[in-house]
Amino acid sequence: DAGVIQSPRHEVTEMGQEVTLRCKPISGHDYLFWYRQTMMRGLELLIYFNNNVPIDDSGMPEDRFSAKMPNASFSTLKIQPSEPRDSAVYFCASSLGPTGQYFGPGTRLTVT
Amino acid sequence: AQSVSQHNHHVILSEAASLELGCNYSYGGTVNLFWYVQYPGQHLQLLLKYFSGDPLVKGIKGFEAEFIKSKFSFNLRKPSVQWSDTAEYFCAGLFGFKTIFGAGTRLFVKA
Repeated sequence: DAGVIQSPRHEVTEMGQEVTLRCKPISGHDYLFWYRQTMMRGLELLIYFNNNVPIDDSGMPEDRFSAKMPNASFSTLKIQPSEPRDSAVYFCASSLGPTGQYFGPGTRLTVT
Repeated sequence: AQSVSQHNHHVILSEAASLELGCNYSYGGTVNLFWYVQYPGQHLQLLLKYFSGDPLVKGIKGFEAEFIKSKFSFNLRKPSVQWSDTAEYFCAGLFGFKTIFGAGTRLFVKA
């Protein structure tokens, strides 16, 4: 299995631009999670899905952030408009049931 | 409210020293507990997990953790660390269907 796949691995964009991060979970996993990691705030859960349905989005910082999971093999996290304080590493993770999560390699986002 | 606490934010050890990283949780119900490791520049990887049964759990790379219910703790241990264990270690708890991560402990092992 290829593991959790994220793209792009690095993204540099200007403030105000729209950013879309993509994630392909491990086949057969029914949970998908989006996290943000920064030096200042550590690892933060943004949102998670179960069977493609958003269960808890209380970690989404504000309306500029949105996440979708149109099918079991694909999810997106969109930031519109982006701001410099959104600069972070964004991780996607998946799991089969309430077991340990498998993390993707992350997307390093820099907003200038 | 549920929480996971890691009290040691930074730990520095010499090679061959023993390691114990603390993890405490706050929750009145059944909890599943995990330790993850993040090597520099990489993503988090699952080290070990506890669901039920034997409270002493053995994971990969010689790590183990002990669940002590009376102390609400799940400390990570390794008898002899190596330089390659330099990483950040995260404790996490699954409370219902929500996973909460601790703030992490950065371990630096001196060669």
